[in-house]
Amino acid sequence: DSGVTQTPKHLITATGQRVTLRCSPRSGDLSVYWYQQSLDQGLQFLIQYYNGEERAKGNILERFSAQQFPDLHSELNLSSLELGDSALYFCASSVDGRGTGELFFGEGSRLTVL
Amino acid sequence: GQNIDQPTEMTATEGAIVQINCTYQTSGFNGLFWYQQHAGEAPTFLSYNVLDGLEEKGRFSSFLSRSKGYSYLLLKELQMKDSASYLCGSGGSYIPTFGRGTSLIVHP
Repeated sequence: DSGVTQTPKHLITATGQRVTLRCSPRSGDLSVYWYQQSLDQGLQFLIQYYNGEERAKGNILERFSAQQFPDLHSELNLSSLELGDSALYFCASSVDGRGTGELFFGEGSRLTVL
Repeated sequence: GQNIDQPTEMTATEGAIVQINCTYQTSGFNGLFWYQQHAGEAPTFLSYNVLDGLEEKGRFSSFLSRSKGYSYLLLKELQMKDSASYLCGSGGSYIPTFGRGTSLIVHP
């Protein structure tokens, strides 16, 4: 158990819909990272937050947005869903936001868009 | 990104030794990670190298050469449970970036 909690574990929805994925970081960790993992792709970095502020952005689509709340949990919002958005979405946390050292990953949220 | 390159798939025999290579772009380099990921599960941390050389942790060792932009993960005394994807990643530009992973299949 990494200490990072993601909900929901599984989600099935239709094209055009909107979903919210939630992540609670490990106790004491200030930084949250979101990654997307498709079958034919590696872990694709989406976005990073540190202590409530956006710190780095990767290949995140405009249809996707995220935020980190004062209690440090984070949400990833995916809208106007397309079939290609079907993937495993991982949240990871770390003590600092420097991208060094160990990242602790949650179990992931598996999104299926039909 | 860090243009991380690693083999797509490798196979090995139980009890043997396997070396998984990884090359990366050296500009903005900020440490090299290795993670293990079983199918459908979360990646779990194996190692993080910042300095050149070999670091050993039980059956697993990781090597780094910063001048060559090269790393490898060495797995000894392979067990069936080592069948997994091994992700090489770099912390360059403060964004942990990963390669596509090497799927290791261990057979009896």
